[in-house]
Amino acid sequence: GAGVSQSPSNKVTEKGKDVELRCDPISGHTALYWYRQSLGQGLEFLIYFQGNSAPDKSGLPSDRFSAERTGGSVSTLTIQRTQQEDSAVYLCASRPNTGSYEQYFGPGTRLTVT
Amino acid sequence: EDKVVQSPLSLVVHEGDTVTLNCSYEVTNFRSLLWYKQEKKAPTFLFMLTSSGIEKKSGRLSSILDKKELSSILNITATQTGDSAIYLCAVRNDMRFGAGTRLTVKP
Repeated sequence: GAGVSQSPSNKVTEKGKDVELRCDPISGHTALYWYRQSLGQGLEFLIYFQGNSAPDKSGLPSDRFSAERTGGSVSTLTIQRTQQEDSAVYLCASRPNTGSYEQYFGPGTRLTVT
Repeated sequence: EDKVVQSPLSLVVHEGDTVTLNCSYEVTNFRSLLWYKQEKKAPTFLFMLTSSGIEKKSGRLSSILDKKELSSILNITATQTGDSAIYLCAVRNDMRFGAGTRLTVKP
């Protein structure tokens, strides 16, 4: 079946502009995560959605970052007033239920802020 | 087609045992290989390997990369129940992840 998809695959934007990154999780997966991978760094947790519960936003680095998940499916990560340090690969992952630890990752969006 | 293959897919051991997890890869533009430990939420970064033959060590965990064999191993000695997790291997350039090895350590 279809895996997690993300769009766009690459995004180049100018400093100060807003960007929206999209994640389509695997159908039926209740949990959805956003991470980012900066150059030379490990995977950084950003935000976690689980069903209808309030999202865990503890990983968002600043109030310029926000995310929504509509209808328990598609998620959008928005970065306002982008900065050069926002340049990274943004990964989305989903998993089927709370009993499973396995996550299925999307291919990522490579964001470059110039 | 780029791919990252981990083995075994799952492993059950008892406390005190030593385990070896494997990761092999076929990717273009290899830059580095990363190991993560994943429990309930975010994967925890363990090691990043870029050079062949240099062992990285952190407590009871160690890892080494073999670029000739296009593989890496993660060793855990004197396992504890807290080591139970999924161990993910990822290869950059494109952060391609393997399926993971589910390790269960029984008391």
